[in-house]
Amino acid sequence: GQNIDQPTEMTATEGAIVQINCTYQTSGFNGLFWYQQHAGEAPTFLSYNVLDGLEEKGRFSSFLSRSKGYSYLLLKELQMKDSASYLCAALSSGGSYIPTFGRGTSLIVHP
Amino acid sequence: DTAVSQTPKYLVTQMGNDKSIKCEQNLGHDTMYWYKQDSKKFLKIMFSYNNKELIINETVPNRFSPKSPDKAHLNLHINSLELGDSAVYFCASSQDLDIVSYEQYFGPGTRLTVT
Repeated sequence: GQNIDQPTEMTATEGAIVQINCTYQTSGFNGLFWYQQHAGEAPTFLSYNVLDGLEEKGRFSSFLSRSKGYSYLLLKELQMKDSASYLCAALSSGGSYIPTFGRGTSLIVHP
Repeated sequence: DTAVSQTPKYLVTQMGNDKSIKCEQNLGHDTMYWYKQDSKKFLKIMFSYNNKELIINETVPNRFSPKSPDKAHLNLHINSLELGDSAVYFCASSQDLDIVSYEQYFGPGTRLTVT
């Protein structure tokens, strides 16, 4: 079966750095996605990792360790608009690519 | 121009009714999906279509039936609605299942409330 685990809620201060962790157990692993979802809106793509290591994209970076079944999303220079839910999704292949989403981490950024 | 659109945005209906949600994408993508997001914000895939063929069918009740008249449209029809069907339903599309690093583009969602 597939299992994705991430913290339910995190808080941080504007301008700070926050790391959102995600652990996964999935068969036929083919990569890990991070999505951002603001309240009442659709998820939007942030990053995709398939190889071990860190992928940097502006203020956001995503890290993957396949051997540990672990990923994190790093947000730097936090802004109020970063308050949102961050969804971790593992991609598995069983004939077709099936994404399994975690329940999301609600990040609250305060002044 | 909206990339993935859904109608209606809100849908309130009574138990036992039959309803449909429509989805259209103008990205030229080959694969479309339906997701259900419950009150706990858990996003779960229901179906996906690739070139008009159903390729993923998670264990959803057969009251739910996806219909794809062409690769730009994937509609969701729900029969005999139940209280537990209340959720936000998202349509999404991606370029091609053969491209592993596929980014999914989500529609704005349809909030279904069954009373």
